[in-house]
Amino acid sequence: GEDVEQSLFLSVREGDSSVINCTYTDSSSTYLYWYKQEPGAGLQLLTYIFSNMDMKQDQRLTVLLNKKDKHLSLRIADTQTGDSAIYFCAETSGSARQLTFGSGTQLTVLP
Amino acid sequence: KAGVTQTPRYLIKTRGQQVTLSCSPISGHRSVSWYQQTPGQGLQFLFEYFSETQRNKGNFPGRFSGRQFSNSRSEMNVSTLELGDSALYLCASSLGGVAGANVLTFGAGSRLTVL
Repeated sequence: GEDVEQSLFLSVREGDSSVINCTYTDSSSTYLYWYKQEPGAGLQLLTYIFSNMDMKQDQRLTVLLNKKDKHLSLRIADTQTGDSAIYFCAETSGSARQLTFGSGTQLTVLP
Repeated sequence: KAGVTQTPRYLIKTRGQQVTLSCSPISGHRSVSWYQQTPGQGLQFLFEYFSETQRNKGNFPGRFSGRQFSNSRSEMNVSTLELGDSALYLCASSLGGVAGANVLTFGAGSRLTVL
């Protein structure tokens, strides 16, 4: 099946920028998503990007998409302790509506 | 507006039993999807219901089933529980359109422990 891969852990200092990376294998991916999961909670949609876009910015969040390399990243500017959570990238492809998720990146923000 | 509500939040069952989980979507959302989250397999799609019909199904055995009611509320059932069914079961709702991004709003999940 199609795969979405992420590194498992990332630690940053408060105030620094965080960059979470994701690679995917499905060349027919149409939309790519970033979700955040805090302990004991469900997933919260942060942002998504259409596959023909290179970049999307939303306040502190910047998504970069390199379709040629099938690489997606999420940059969080001025990272705060409240940003500590697990971040999942996901994709939908073609007409399929279900999301295929990566394994998640645990972001720890150190004071 | 109220979010996606899942009940129960926590439950413990023993092997061989069956369980029913409930999901109330956001008002106006007609699609409900279910995902299973485990430490080993991550997030995996179970099925999606739209207008009381199963529109899409993941790769799970027939012990996993679901349904949707006319008010868009959904239930999923797992029969003959196995230890490996222990997981967080997440429900997500959306408007259900087939074009554009699939913007899902997730509930907090039902954590099932099978002993």
